[in-house]
Amino acid sequence: DTAVSQTPKYLVTQMGNDKSIKCEQNLGHDTMYWYKQDSKKFLKIMFSYNNKELIINETVPNRFSPKSPDKAHLNLHINSLELGDSAVYFCASSRIQNTEAFFGQGTRLTVV
Amino acid sequence: QKEVEQDPGPLSVPEGVIVSLNCTYSNSAFQYFMWYRQYSRKGPELLMYTYSSGNKEDGRFTAQVDKSSKYISLFIRDSQPSDSATYLCAMTSQGAQKLVFGQGTRLTINP
Repeated sequence: DTAVSQTPKYLVTQMGNDKSIKCEQNLGHDTMYWYKQDSKKFLKIMFSYNNKELIINETVPNRFSPKSPDKAHLNLHINSLELGDSAVYFCASSRIQNTEAFFGQGTRLTVV
Repeated sequence: QKEVEQDPGPLSVPEGVIVSLNCTYSNSAFQYFMWYRQYSRKGPELLMYTYSSGNKEDGRFTAQVDKSSKYISLFIRDSQPSDSATYLCAMTSQGAQKLVFGQGTRLTINP
């Protein structure tokens, strides 16, 4: 029974396309995140949502638009994909009061 | 200067030794400290969570936090080949709602 699940696991697409990644958590957490992991394994926060409200937008280009239809889901839509967007994108969740985050399996995005 | 510094390795050791992994940080507001293990092509998995200074032990793993030195460590006793992974330290402050990660240390335990 997966706690944080994201789809798809792999995504290969051409420059200029628009794509979406979906994330769902069944932990009952109030806070969800998107992190980006580059080729050197460095994980960096992109967005943080608390009860469907955007809390953190860490200087991410506005081609990236997160959407949280409810507190169990946080999707990421990316417009006009660029080569530099190639990375692994992780969804995560945590309780408001606690700070341990639980991560999904990642979506490996390759832009060609 | 990065907020969290971690030697990326790679670190390769024989099976059975005690492994020590470390991170230093610059933000004195950090109070919550975590270690994650990430296997190849998988998501980070939470190993240890510590609040403020002190030690925490869980099986073969011990996490240490020294806030005065802004230094955290993870010790792995009786290391096993299955411990081979990238280990990421992460930390945050009260109410920050984001984790700041180190670069990760790639560890290989040789049988």
